[in-house]
Amino acid sequence: AQSVSQHNHHVILSEAASLELGCNYSYGGTVNLFWYVQYPGQHLQLLLKYFSGDPLVKGIKGFEAEFIKSKFSFNLRKPSVQWSDTAEYFCAVNAQSSSNTGKLIFGQGTTLQVKP
Amino acid sequence: GAGVSQSPRYKVAKRGQDVALRCDPISGHVSLFWYQQALGQGPEFLTYFQNEAQLDKSGLPSDRFFAERPEGSVSTLKIQRTQQEDSAVYLCASSLGGRLSYNEQFFGPGTRLTVL
Repeated sequence: AQSVSQHNHHVILSEAASLELGCNYSYGGTVNLFWYVQYPGQHLQLLLKYFSGDPLVKGIKGFEAEFIKSKFSFNLRKPSVQWSDTAEYFCAVNAQSSSNTGKLIFGQGTTLQVKP
Repeated sequence: GAGVSQSPRYKVAKRGQDVALRCDPISGHVSLFWYQQALGQGPEFLTYFQNEAQLDKSGLPSDRFFAERPEGSVSTLKIQRTQQEDSAVYLCASSLGGRLSYNEQFFGPGTRLTVL
């Protein structure tokens, strides 16, 4: 069965600090990878996604993520965080297979708190 | 344009009561997903519809959970004889395509169900 593991449950940073959130998945086949963000009081929204091609993908608000196939990882990064990045971040995986319905398997989430 | 909407936003039920949660997907979206998000966890897949057909219900935790999408647009998730462990946020998501796994899922705000 597929699973997603996010290593950091709660991260506290000061503004301008660099961010890296870990995400590992378990699935032997080809996957689509996503990072979703949930700002306080808002619904889940897509931050970035990887389907194929360049393993370094850029998303909104200066976020990027790197897919390392050999490590089954898809870590999220941002060089300099802002107070407005305070949110919960979810890594998600979808298996590319003919039988797959497109359902997402989520990690447990990482709460990021950025201090001004 | 309008996003995914869900109602009610909050629902309190006494144990044993039946509840019905509604999802209005983005107009024209073929795919519709239901997820359950327990406190402090990531969303977990419940069921998937392609138009009116329920193609995957592997995530429904028990036969007390039932979902329908009779006309291929609005969907209802029904929980019979609610139990305390059903307390969670129920998320609905829709996407444009059919079984294509790489279509972005757009999430609604969720319904927070509390079973007393």
